Amino acid sequence: LAKTTQPISMDSYEGQEVNITCSHNNIATNDYITWYQQFPSQGPRFIIQGYKTKVTNEVASLFIPADRKSSTLSLPRVSLSDTAVYYCLVALDTGRRALTFGSGTRLQVQP
Amino acid sequence: DTEVTQTPKHLVMGMTNKKSLKCEQHMGHRAMYWYKQKAKKPPELMFVYSYEKLSINESVPSRFSPECPNSSLLNLHLHALQPEDSALYLCASSQEGFLEKLFFGSGTQLSVL
Repeated sequence: LAKTTQPISMDSYEGQEVNITCSHNNIATNDYITWYQQFPSQGPRFIIQGYKTKVTNEVASLFIPADRKSSTLSLPRVSLSDTAVYYCLVALDTGRRALTFGSGTRLQVQP
Repeated sequence: DTEVTQTPKHLVMGMTNKKSLKCEQHMGHRAMYWYKQKAKKPPELMFVYSYEKLSINESVPSRFSPECPNSSLLNLHLHALQPEDSALYLCASSQEGFLEKLFFGSGTQLSVL
């Protein structure tokens, strides 16, 4: 069964740009890539969604190469409050539509 | 109102108990989801309802029984659970389909003794 993969953890300092990559080799042709942020004891919160190339909103950018087998979430100028777990979510081409979260990346932002 | 409300926030139950988790949204969303999340793990999809009909059951044991009484409500009935079922149970909703933005509740932290 295909699955997505992300780095387990990342460390950064306040004010830096953070890039988190998700690998999703078996993404379905027509499906989107979505990223979520989760704080302890809370449900995940939507950050950004894209299909190809680049998407930008007020909190992040999402870069997707032409083959769409990976995606990179970019957080500009992180702050302490960005310390959280970040998940990519795709619908994998497993013969049925399914919503599978990546393993998650635990981002620790330090002063 | 962009909230998904889950009750209770915490639940402790014995293996012989019957309990229910409740989820409510008033955003007019027609797809609702149950996820299970163990500590330090990603959420795992359990069930999906689309237009009040069960569309996905991820081979969840029958001791978990979902119910969607109407488009705003989603229940998860629990019976004869095992200690390994202890987890954070998350409800989510989306406008219509699987690939839209999911709105999650804060979850119910369940402990089975």
